[in-house]
Amino acid sequence: AQTVTQSQPEMSVQEAETVTLSCTYDTSESDYYLFWYKQPPSRQMILVIRQEAYKQQNATENRFSVNFQKAAKSFSLKISDSQLGDAAMYFCAYRGGGTSYGKLTFGQGTILTVHP
Amino acid sequence: NAGVTQTPKFRVLKTGQSMTLLCAQDMNHEYMYWYRQDPGMGLRLIHYSVGEGTTAKGEVPDGYNVSRLKKQNFLLGLESAAPSQTSVYFCASSYSIFPGQPQHFGDGTRLSIL
Repeated sequence: AQTVTQSQPEMSVQEAETVTLSCTYDTSESDYYLFWYKQPPSRQMILVIRQEAYKQQNATENRFSVNFQKAAKSFSLKISDSQLGDAAMYFCAYRGGGTSYGKLTFGQGTILTVHP
Repeated sequence: NAGVTQTPKFRVLKTGQSMTLLCAQDMNHEYMYWYRQDPGMGLRLIHYSVGEGTTAKGEVPDGYNVSRLKKQNFLLGLESAAPSQTSVYFCASSYSIFPGQPQHFGDGTRLSIL
């Protein structure tokens, strides 16, 4: 079974600074995607970024980028030029193929606080 | 476009009561999922459905039942609510099980069992 681990329950960053959230995972599959979701206090689950396992190039979406280390099974999220609106819970998630029927496996979440 | 709609948004139950959470999607998605979110545990899959009339157990199915009589609706039932079922419940849907296909989430239901 796949597992996803976020070892940082809480992180904080100053506005305009950069912060990195960590995520590791375990799988024996070769075809999978990794995702970062943002959950603000409104409880919405907002897709931030995704990475295909077969792509060596790290995904980037504006101020959000990932550091995908496939051999190490590591998938960290870097937020540059942090803004107050980035404050939220962030979840790392795995979605594989095979017989998983498209389910997502989530990490425990990291609460990000942004200080003005 | 409404996407995924969950009703109700909040509910308080007494131990032993029953209730049904409704999830409706208007995107003609085949695949639907129910997750629960608990502090320090992320979201965990309760049940899922790969099409109308089909359901299957996820990681934490005990105490819950589901039905998918219509493609657009996925119902989650608690027959006899227990305090351990106090949680935030999310419904999600997906067009396919291709790993890169994102899941679309509802806004969640906060359920408290007293």
